[in-house]
Amino acid sequence: NAGVTQTPKFQVLKTGQSMTLQCAQDMNHNSMYWYRQDPGMGLRLIYYSASEGTTDKGEVPNGYNVSRLNKREFSLRLESAAPSQTSVYFCASSDLGRHTEAFFGQGTRLTVV
Amino acid sequence: GQQVMQIPQYQHVQEGEDFTTYCNSSTTLSNIQWYKQRPGGHPVFLIQLVKSGEVKKQKRLTFQFGEAKKNSSLHITATQTTDVGTYFCAGPEETSGSRLTFGEGTQLTVNP
Repeated sequence: NAGVTQTPKFQVLKTGQSMTLQCAQDMNHNSMYWYRQDPGMGLRLIYYSASEGTTDKGEVPNGYNVSRLNKREFSLRLESAAPSQTSVYFCASSDLGRHTEAFFGQGTRLTVV
Repeated sequence: GQQVMQIPQYQHVQEGEDFTTYCNSSTTLSNIQWYKQRPGGHPVFLIQLVKSGEVKKQKRLTFQFGEAKKNSSLHITATQTTDVGTYFCAGPEETSGSRLTFGEGTQLTVNP
């Protein structure tokens, strides 16, 4: 049981380049999330998907797009990377109902130069 | 929108001292969750509290959920070096239920 798998683990981009961060979960969870973590800023929600076919903006959605491809996969796209998007990105998933604990991927460390 | 605030942001303690972090939400939560993130790692779920006024213990860790379901605390008794990390609270809003918002976290360092 892999849980939540994120790829890649590390990435360096030049300003203006685009890339897609991939996330997949094998726990049959309905909800999936993308967070970014900057030093001293905690985990800030970029986008989330409450269920397959729906996506909603979080606290810091500007500069990002998401796709909930199916129940398993939730991708995050940077169309034109900026240095301000240098961060660690975490994907997470959880289920609705009484036990809503979130399971996190290992993270993607992204540097934009 | 919902805001979840945690204090303090940083806490340095000597091994054996107690530690407490506090969490406050701007909206009523359906539940409160606590996570621990070791340096260089990803957040890992510790516990979930659901009922108003609920108290749960895990060995040296005591978790409380406020009566109004808007605040919570985590208390560690007699800290050890293995407790080092950042502790986050998180909670879905009672009304929407699906958006999971995290506090800024409390970074704990323990001097041996």
